[in-house]
Amino acid sequence: EVHLLESGGGLVQPGGSLRLSCAASGFNFSNYVMSWVRQAPGKGLEYVSVITGSGAGTNYADSVRGRFRISRDNSKNTVYLQMNSLRVEDTAVYYCADGGLGYWGRGTLVTVSS
Amino acid sequence: DIVMTQTPLSSPVTLGQPASISCRSSQSLIHTDGSTYLSWLHQRPGQPPRLLIYKVSNRFSGVPDRFSGSGAGTDFTLKITRVEAEDVGIYYCMQATQLITFGPGTRLHIK
Repeated sequence: EVHLLESGGGLVQPGGSLRLSCAASGFNFSNYVMSWVRQAPGKGLEYVSVITGSGAGTNYADSVRGRFRISRDNSKNTVYLQMNSLRVEDTAVYYCADGGLGYWGRGTLVTVSS
Repeated sequence: DIVMTQTPLSSPVTLGQPASISCRSSQSLIHTDGSTYLSWLHQRPGQPPRLLIYKVSNRFSGVPDRFSGSGAGTDFTLKITRVEAEDVGIYYCMQATQLITFGPGTRLHIK
């Protein structure tokens, strides 16, 4: 059974940093593109970033490019999202999902506030 | 960027009756590989989204056959033949032909 578990969310001040992790199990992780999608409170879904199975290819939404960095460690079946220069508008539940968005974690809440 | 729109944004439905949601993209979703990467997701309050349909008309694993997807190019539709109580929530269309963008969501609720 596929399982994705996010961690690392919390309260951070504007301008601060956080690193989210997503631990995967139940599938051949290194073969899969992985994505981060976020959802601000009461709002819709927003694509954040994607990484290829090898980690060689990445892409970012314009709203986070230059501030966020996606990476993965296939030996640990884990994908990461390093978030720097956080803004109030980055407040959201952050979900990790496989590339086809067929499997999702339960999300981790990031709150950016002073 | 490809912009996704959905109609209606809110849909009151009667249990046991059909429901339909439309989705339109600002440009064709036909990829250079010939596939059309249009998906439908469902989200209940407090839960992560769940994939229902991928590549326009393919039901994801475990999705009941009362859900169906259709369409081509820029116009797509999700249909539920007979709405059940568990179907309430928000439905999103999503394109992955050019990066990923989501529609604004359609709230399906019981009359």
